[in-house]
Amino acid sequence: LAKTTQPISMDSYEGQEVNITCSHNNIATNDYITWYQQFPSQGPRFIIQGYKTKVTNEVASLFIPADRKSSTLSLPRVSLSDTAVYYCLVGGPEDSSYKLIFGSGTRLLVRP
Amino acid sequence: GAVVSQHPSWVICKSGTSVKIECRSLDFQATTMFWYRQFPKQSLMLMATSNEGSKATYEQGVEKDKFLINHASLTLSTLTVTSAHPEDSSFYICSSPWGLDGYTFGSGTRLTVV
Repeated sequence: LAKTTQPISMDSYEGQEVNITCSHNNIATNDYITWYQQFPSQGPRFIIQGYKTKVTNEVASLFIPADRKSSTLSLPRVSLSDTAVYYCLVGGPEDSSYKLIFGSGTRLLVRP
Repeated sequence: GAVVSQHPSWVICKSGTSVKIECRSLDFQATTMFWYRQFPKQSLMLMATSNEGSKATYEQGVEKDKFLINHASLTLSTLTVTSAHPEDSSFYICSSPWGLDGYTFGSGTRLTVV
């Protein structure tokens, strides 16, 4: 199981772009990289998933370098409602036996 | 998208009683369900994995006789906290694999044992 390392916390201001980097040096060839968002007293919510290069959806972008040993979640123009904990996980999404092991996550605080 | 409905959202029980938490997959068949526990300001900790029609697999350090898991159908998995004590107070979350988006999570259950 690939272990992930993220910053414990980050601060930002409304309207800024936030980049959260995750290290996963032991990522396997078949592993995907997935980011989840969690608000207090709620279950995690899927944000974005990628395998290599860049993926973009309506809420975020995910940048993955060629060696795939790290990834960066980019949140454009954050708002107060983006204050949450963000988790980076690696694994095979089509393998139902794969256990999602959560790391510490990054606690993002967006200030007015 | 896939939805896992988790109930109750919160529950308060007396020490020594048992509490059952349900997770239902609403629009897909959940062959596998993962159960997590989360203490305040901490990350999710995997407790056990349940597969429909078979016994659950528990992570090291999790008491299987205390946390009973039943996955009798493809749409329902339950976690029963037996003889609950204050130290069992936590946020419990279920999750099931779903397609290429990874995993879908329940909304969580806040258990308070008094």
